[in-house]
Amino acid sequence: QLHLQESGPGLVKPSETLSLTCTVSGDSISSSSSYWGWIRQPPGKGLEWIGTIYYSGSAYYNPSLNTRVTISVDTSKNQFSLKLSSVTAADTAVYYCARLEFGVVSARPDYFDYWGQGTLVTVSS
Amino acid sequence: SYVLTQPPSVSVAPGKTARITCGGANIETQTVHWYQQKPGQAPVLVIYYDYDRPSGIPERFSGSNSGNTATLTISRVEAGDEADYYCQVWDSATDHLVFGGGTKLTVL
Repeated sequence: QLHLQESGPGLVKPSETLSLTCTVSGDSISSSSSYWGWIRQPPGKGLEWIGTIYYSGSAYYNPSLNTRVTISVDTSKNQFSLKLSSVTAADTAVYYCARLEFGVVSARPDYFDYWGQGTLVTVSS
Repeated sequence: SYVLTQPPSVSVAPGKTARITCGGANIETQTVHWYQQKPGQAPVLVIYYDYDRPSGIPERFSGSNSGNTATLTISRVEAGDEADYYCQVWDSATDHLVFGGGTKLTVL
């Protein structure tokens, strides 16, 4: 059974960089049928896609966050990471990591089938 | 970028049928996925590829996609179905993933 676990600081100061890591267990992050993604949810609001990465390093980002986001993968540790720079209070949210199924027919990342429990990150001085 | 529009809320009596819509331009050319999220929990996939159900999801959950609207249908609604529901697509034109704004299902 695949398991994902987010880790990182729960409190980040404004203008600093938010850094989170997702550790994958139960499967290899280098699986050809898997993409990996970050999603966030501000308190009381809906889901927002942050970005998605393949084990090769090929990444896709939400255009609204593109200039501040970097997602990377470390296959040796079976982890992938999120960095979000120049944070403000608007970046306060529960951050989830999740696995995306790569559609064999569609030849693209399709849906999230495994999610981490989520971690609350608060941006405050 | 591609936009998915959901009604903010849907209410239904127990035992009745709930229909949650997800509107998008020519959405029938997309493949739509649906998630259920209960308070304090991570989302759970309930429908993928428009109408397929993951193992463990009751047959009461079904999906359809036609024209400009995809629909999640929950038959014989139970109190435990009360949750937020989100639709999602991968827009191949832009290589961006898009969520709908979410619909809160209330069981009366």
